[in-house]
Amino acid sequence: GENVEQHPSTLSVQEGDSAVIKCTYSDSASNYFPWYKQELGKGPQLIIDIRSNVGEKKDQRIAVTLNKTAKHFSLHITETQPEDSAVYFCAASGGTSYGKLTFGQGTILTVHP
Amino acid sequence: EAQVTQNPRYLITVTGKKLTVTCSQNMNHEYMSWYRQDPGLGLRQIYYSMNVEVTDKGDVPEGYKVSRKEKRNFPLILESPSPNQTSLYFCATSVGAGELFFGEGSRLTVL
Repeated sequence: GENVEQHPSTLSVQEGDSAVIKCTYSDSASNYFPWYKQELGKGPQLIIDIRSNVGEKKDQRIAVTLNKTAKHFSLHITETQPEDSAVYFCAASGGTSYGKLTFGQGTILTVHP
Repeated sequence: EAQVTQNPRYLITVTGKKLTVTCSQNMNHEYMSWYRQDPGLGLRQIYYSMNVEVTDKGDVPEGYKVSRKEKRNFPLILESPSPNQTSLYFCATSVGAGELFFGEGSRLTVL
């Protein structure tokens, strides 16, 4: 089955800096790669996603890049703000087991004012 | 308002005492899924359902059962809970296999 590895497990940045979180996946047939943000005491919420026919996608301060050859994808947050502090999860699906969404281990992002 | 509602939100129980965590959605989504969240392990899929009467195992189904008799409900059943099932559980729904909408979570402690 699919295996998703996420790094780093914790990330601490100063307000205004950029943050990058990286994920690798194992199933070359996977074609959907979402990123979720989880605030304290809440369920995860989708912040951006990318499909395998696209190499990069941007939404204001957030961008995701996908390298299908290397089987890795990354989340980039620019001009970080304290409210970006949360746990971020990457995920992969659509491979050999349709309907199964496999998540990474999560990254705790802390943005210091 | 679009909602995924889980109950109970918090539960402390003892080993072997059967329990059910309910999940209900009002978005008419076909796809529903259960995850457990443990520190350092992220979110792991327990079971998922593509539609009524269609369920399939995720990555960690041992010790759990599910049923999907109605489109809006997808209960998670622990027939004989054990301490290693102490975890934070999330129900999620989506249209097809796209964006997931998560519930608020159910924190379960098995003593």
